[in-house]
Amino acid sequence: KQEVTQIPAALSVPEGENLVLNCSFTDSAIYNLQWFRQDPGKGLTSLLLIQSSQREQTSGRLNASLDKSSGRSTLYIAASQPGDSATYLCAVPNTGNQFYFGTGTSLTVIP
Amino acid sequence: AAGVIQSPRHLIKEKRETATLKCYPIPRHDTVYWYQQGPGQDPQFLISFYEKMQSDKGSIPDRFSAQQFSDYHSELNMSSLELGDSALYFCASSLVGTNLGSFGSGTRLTVV
Repeated sequence: KQEVTQIPAALSVPEGENLVLNCSFTDSAIYNLQWFRQDPGKGLTSLLLIQSSQREQTSGRLNASLDKSSGRSTLYIAASQPGDSATYLCAVPNTGNQFYFGTGTSLTVIP
Repeated sequence: AAGVIQSPRHLIKEKRETATLKCYPIPRHDTVYWYQQGPGQDPQFLISFYEKMQSDKGSIPDRFSAQQFSDYHSELNMSSLELGDSALYFCASSLVGTNLGSFGSGTRLTVV
């Protein structure tokens, strides 16, 4: 069974800093990896999707990388803003599209 | 673009009552998944359906059942509710073979 781990569990940074969130998975035979954002008590917002054949994806201030062989992905957030405060989840689907989620990183950006 | 629709957004039930959650997938998506996210927890897979047949089963309690209808919408039926069932329930949909999934905004169930 795929196991997904995220570190750190919580992160607090001052506004303007660049930061990196880490995600690791045990089974490298993945189709893709997806990063989500979740605000407290809210639903999941898809941020970036990286296909297994890709090494990175960028969207605005977000950049996600994927290293399948080592079972790792990182989400890089540039010039963080208070509005970035949320929980960030990474997830990988199995062959049946069942998602395995990481435990999330709770990010607080301090103004 | 149309997204996954879940209803209701919020639901409050008493212990031992029943609840029905609904999910309307993205048009042309043939697969629906249900997840449960308890407070401070990551989403846990409950059950999935492909072409109206159950395709995979996760940690779904026996008190819960689900089905997918001819129009591909799905309903999660929860009986004999317990306080521990209070959670955010997500539905996701996909088109088989694409390995992509879109999530709804969730239904927050509170059992009192």
